[in-house]
Amino acid sequence: DIQMTQSPSSLSASVGDRVTITCRASQSLTRYLNWYQQQPGKAPKVLILAASRLQTGVPSRFSGGGSGTDFSLTISSLQPEDFATYYCQQSYLTPWTFGRGTTVEIK
Amino acid sequence: QVQLVESGGGVVQPGRSLRLSCAASGFSFSDYALHWVRQAPGKGLEWVAVLSSDGSVKYHADSVRGRFTVSRDNSKNTLFLQMNSLRPDDTAVYYCAREVAPDGYNHGDFGYWGQGTLVTVSS
Repeated sequence: DIQMTQSPSSLSASVGDRVTITCRASQSLTRYLNWYQQQPGKAPKVLILAASRLQTGVPSRFSGGGSGTDFSLTISSLQPEDFATYYCQQSYLTPWTFGRGTTVEIK
Repeated sequence: QVQLVESGGGVVQPGRSLRLSCAASGFSFSDYALHWVRQAPGKGLEWVAVLSSDGSVKYHADSVRGRFTVSRDNSKNTLFLQMNSLRPDDTAVYYCAREVAPDGYNHGDFGYWGQGTLVTVSS
């Protein structure tokens, strides 16, 4: 199975900060990497597919990058509703696997 | 709008069975592959199973293979997960999730999620 490693596991930031989360895969994914946001007590929501393709309705302050084994999710200016847990997930090879998540907390 | 509503969760003893359902609406159900993804309390996400739109292709995670079976009824717009020989480490919120692409295939792109149903395995 492909292992997904996210870092950091948590971070504290303020409204307006620029935040970057990284995700590393145990083998090349080309660009088959997705990002999800999960707010407390809610279901996950897709943010980005195929490393950088922003999904409909997702604010443009979210962006994704990378290829191969190294990827990133950036929030350009953190908003109050962005405090949540973020997961990367590889869609290169079944079984689909997720990172352990990065929790973005209010500083 | 797209809606996925899971049901069937509850408290069950180890070794017993449970059947989860996911009722879908707001889209052409028979055009999409569907998944089950679970989340143990306070933990991350774990993909469980997928079924193609016509029910012909299915995959299960190693952790549930031989115990869980995914199925669907396209006439009732419903996805199922039959869970047998349940173990305490199966305790989780179980989500159903729809693929993004309406081609019926499993791409691993979870476009829409239900709110989940909690399964607790405990004596």
